[in-house]
Order: sequence, then C-alpha cells, then structure tokens
Amino acid sequence: GDSVTQMEGPVTLSEEAFLTINCTYTATGYPSLFWYVQYPGEGLQLLLKATKADDKGSNKGFEATYRKETTSFHLEKGSVQVSDSAVYFCALSEPSQGGSEKLVFGKGTKLTVNP
Amino acid sequence: EAGVAQSPRYKIIEKRQSVAFWCNPISGHATLYWYQQILGQGPKLLIQFQNNGVVDDSQLPKDRFSAERLKGVDSTLKIQPAKLEDSAVYLCASRRQGLDEQYFGPGTRLTVT
Repeated sequence: GDSVTQMEGPVTLSEEAFLTINCTYTATGYPSLFWYVQYPGEGLQLLLKATKADDKGSNKGFEATYRKETTSFHLEKGSVQVSDSAVYFCALSEPSQGGSEKLVFGKGTKLTVNP
Repeated sequence: EAGVAQSPRYKIIEKRQSVAFWCNPISGHATLYWYQQILGQGPKLLIQFQNNGVVDDSQLPKDRFSAERLKGVDSTLKIQPAKLEDSAVYLCASRRQGLDEQYFGPGTRLTVT
C-alpha cells in the first residue's frame, strides 16, 4: 500500500530559525498531500494541503510544494516561533476499500522552538 | 461550528477488561473515521463509515474491536477484551462529502495495565 516517510525527530530550533521537515511518499496513484499539526493536548489540525503536482500549500507562514518527480512534500518555514512547537505529520490520501478516501500518515516529527 | 467531540478524554483499564469510546462528528459530515495512534507513531485507520455503513474496516482487529454508527451520526468504538498493546490514543475524525479535509477530535488516551 501507499506509505509516507518523514524525517526523524525531535527537532530543536531557536526562535527565528529556518525550518525544514522532510517528507517523501510512495503511492500507486496521484494522492493529495497534507501536513497536519498536533499541539500539546490537542487534536490534529490541518496545516496545509496540495492536491496535484507543483501545487504549493501555505498557511501561517508554512509552505510545502507537491513534487511528483521526487515524490516529496517538504514542510518549510522561514522564521519559527515558540508557538510553533508541536508534532507535525505528513499524510497522503488514498482510496479506501469502499471507494472513498482515507489518510495514511507518517510517524510525525516533534518540533521544539526555544526562545 | 462545533468541532468533533470525543469522550472520555482519558481511560485506564486492566487487561482483559472492556472499554467503549464515543464520538460525535461535526454536524452534516457523512464520513466518520476512527484512528489508533500509538505513542511515537502516526495515526492508523481502524474503520471508516459513510453515513451508517462501513466503508473500510480492513485494519480493524475484529476479534476484539467493534464499532457502530447506528443513526449515521454518533459512533462508538469498543474493545473487548483489551490487551496491553491497545494502549494508544483513539482519534475520531469526520469529513464533509465532496471535500478532502478531515477534522479531528481531541482523542481518548487509553492505558491498559
């Protein structure tokens, strides 16, 4: 089946540093790609998404570009803040048994930003 | 609009006991998902409902796990009997038909001792 591989964490950065979290995927079709974020004590929230090759998703200063040729969807932010400390999950959508869609997640990358 | 509600938030049980989790999706969302998130891993789909019908339960351990969504709204997930390896966070998510974004509840953290 389809799968997602994320860079191992944890990642610790100082405030205003540049962030990259790598994500690559394997898929038989053309999935949509997502980044979800999980703040401490909260549920997963959609951060951004891209539905086709070369699309760029962006939100809250985060960006990721759907690269079909490298099967990648790396998450970047130019200047992180303490409030960005969270666990970040890369995910893809694939068809489920009944013809609907389901998400396949990577293992997550924990980011800690120090002041 | 109100988000996905789940209860309880935390549960501690002994192995071989039974436990049930409840989920109330966002109003109007036809698709409901249950995920299992083991510590240090990403969520893994257990079961997916479309209204009150099961769409995908291929990864549900059916000898001990069961789920239902009788009226196409609320859902319950049950484990009977629980094993130590069932310790995890159980996440419920819902999705509006025709859109690809899933909205997640806060999860239920289960500890089996």
